[in-house]
Amino acid sequence: GQQLNQSPQSMFIQEGEDVSMNCTSSSIFNTWLWYKQDPGEGPVLLIALYKAGELTSNGRLTAQFGITRKDSFLNISASIPSDVGIYFCAGRDSNYQLIWGAGTKLIIKP
Amino acid sequence: DAMVIQNPRYQVTQFGKPVTLSCSQTLNHNVMYWYQQKSSQAPKLLFHYYDKDFNNEADTPDNFQSRRPNTSFCFLDIRSPGLGDAAMYLCATSRDRSSGVNEQFFGPGTRLTVL
Repeated sequence: GQQLNQSPQSMFIQEGEDVSMNCTSSSIFNTWLWYKQDPGEGPVLLIALYKAGELTSNGRLTAQFGITRKDSFLNISASIPSDVGIYFCAGRDSNYQLIWGAGTKLIIKP
Repeated sequence: DAMVIQNPRYQVTQFGKPVTLSCSQTLNHNVMYWYQQKSSQAPKLLFHYYDKDFNNEADTPDNFQSRRPNTSFCFLDIRSPGLGDAAMYLCATSRDRSSGVNEQFFGPGTRLTVL
């Protein structure tokens, strides 16, 4: 079956630091989606990517659709306390199935 | 604001007692999805409706059923909840299923506890 590897599994950072996480796939995706989930809430869509090489920003967040169509990264600049949560990548394959990464848990050190 | 609404936010049921979770949307989207999410895991798709067309995932247990009486509402029925069914249940919608713009928008979820 499809494999989608998301890393890192968790990150401990200082407030103000930049954050980077990525997802890689064993096969080609047509769409990459990045979601953030707060405890006890549903995932919220952050960024959607539709073309290989596409680089999209949403405030302090930047995400890119890899040229090979098998990977994507999400960067967060100048992290703040409300950035804590779990970040999920999800890729849509040629059968329009949405495959999810296992999530990256972001924790800000006091 | 257009949104996806789930009720109740928290549901407690007894082992084996049927339970229904509800989802409504004001986005007028064609597709509605139900996911199960257990702690620290990614959401797992149970099934989805494309308009009135029901699509079950191959590994979704028969214990889980769904109804979509109209565009706005979709229900998740768990016929005989087991302890292993305790989870967060997420409803999501998308405008379409296969076209370019097909982001899924999620509701806040219903946390199900099985006693």
